[in-house]
Amino acid sequence: NAGVTQTPKFQVLKTGQSMTLQCAQDMNHEYMSWYRQDPGMGLRLIHYSVGAGITDQGEVPNGYNVSRSTTEDFPLRLLSAAPSQTSVYFCASGDSRGLAGGNTQYFGPGTRLTVL
Amino acid sequence: GEDVEQSLFLSVREGDSSVINCTYTDSSSTYLYWYKQEPGAGLQLLTYIFSNMDMKQDQRLTVLLNKKDKHLSLRIADTQTGDSAIYFCAESTGGFKTIFGAGTRLFVKA
Repeated sequence: NAGVTQTPKFQVLKTGQSMTLQCAQDMNHEYMSWYRQDPGMGLRLIHYSVGAGITDQGEVPNGYNVSRSTTEDFPLRLLSAAPSQTSVYFCASGDSRGLAGGNTQYFGPGTRLTVL
Repeated sequence: GEDVEQSLFLSVREGDSSVINCTYTDSSSTYLYWYKQEPGAGLQLLTYIFSNMDMKQDQRLTVLLNKKDKHLSLRIADTQTGDSAIYFCAESTGGFKTIFGAGTRLFVKA
């Protein structure tokens, strides 16, 4: 199993540009989520999905869209990039069959995004 | 709202024990976790403890939970340079929502 994969690893955007961060998992997990990691602030939840066709907002959803058309994929779209979206983005997956009642999350390697 | 707090830095000498502390606010937390993040990588689950336990030991790792004080600690015995990383405390009340702390960066001096 490849686990959770993310592409690209690095990206530089200009203000106003749009792009999609890709996330895929091959563990048949029902739950997927996107976090951003900023210095001194830990991980903040952007959006999450509890299954194909179901998405919901997390703590910091503004400026981001998601969709979940398949169990495997959960792309994150930046509609009009802003410097405040400069961050490291992590995708994670999990399911109810995992450790600790299913709350264990498996993380991808991250995408480092810079918005100029 | 729910919050998880940790100190940002810890420095220890190789061979010593490291103790990383965490406090949380949600008294209904059911699961408490420690994740490890190495440079340039995502988070990996290190260990976890259920809220009805006081202690869990796993090789060099010991997790202590004081539910009354909402305090969680991670002790790493015989700390090695390979233990240098950021350690995240996290809590969950069930379901998939997990609240993460800001992370403690552990420096191990040779």
